[in-house]
Amino acid sequence: DTEVTQTPKHLVMGMTNKKSLKCEQHMGHRAMYWYKQKAKKPPELMFVYSYEKLSINESVPSRFSPECPNSSLLNLHLHALQPEDSALYLCASSQRSGMNTEAFFGQGTRLTVV
Amino acid sequence: QKEVEQDPGPLSVPEGAIVSLNCTYSNSAFQYFMWYRQYSRKGPELLMYTYSSGNKEDGRFTAQVDKSSKYISLFIRDSQPSDSATYLCAMTRSTSGTYKYIFGTGTRLKVLA
Repeated sequence: DTEVTQTPKHLVMGMTNKKSLKCEQHMGHRAMYWYKQKAKKPPELMFVYSYEKLSINESVPSRFSPECPNSSLLNLHLHALQPEDSALYLCASSQRSGMNTEAFFGQGTRLTVV
Repeated sequence: QKEVEQDPGPLSVPEGAIVSLNCTYSNSAFQYFMWYRQYSRKGPELLMYTYSSGNKEDGRFTAQVDKSSKYISLFIRDSQPSDSATYLCAMTRSTSGTYKYIFGTGTRLKVLA
């Protein structure tokens, strides 16, 4: 099983809303990632969790708040977003945060901020 | 200069052609290399991964790494219309003790029936 499951698949939210994106994997991976992808662009790294601890925050605005409740789950809490935050949000996981390890991606949540 | 360079295409080929997709990189700290395929509005799907110079084959796909030239390639034999997608190269390096995946911009491939 190499599946990373993301919910919801689509989300439309207003600029004053609070919503959460969820990501789950049952591969025993200990590193999990959030990426943002705009149309026709590569994924851009937002956050890395390694062994449930935040290890990288790529200077992401505080309106994005990640959370890793346990080794299988990763959330991204959204609050007061802007229309330019509309994008495909991808979760990924890897066996560990290390050099020789490949990442597996979920299908993404397509977020539209209105 | 970007750390990883990849021609965005689009690259159009006839069905059955051999496709060559390439990435160059500037930082010799990159040690592990991956190729992903991404269909429109879907997440990237891992195709190949390798860390050593040379070739690695899996079915119709061959990944090639030349660390001395800082150049990686993905070859697709007997290309099919279903191979039409964006192909992203990715590689890992360390930053502050944690490893990051750095992606190329992706090459859009169209295989014409």
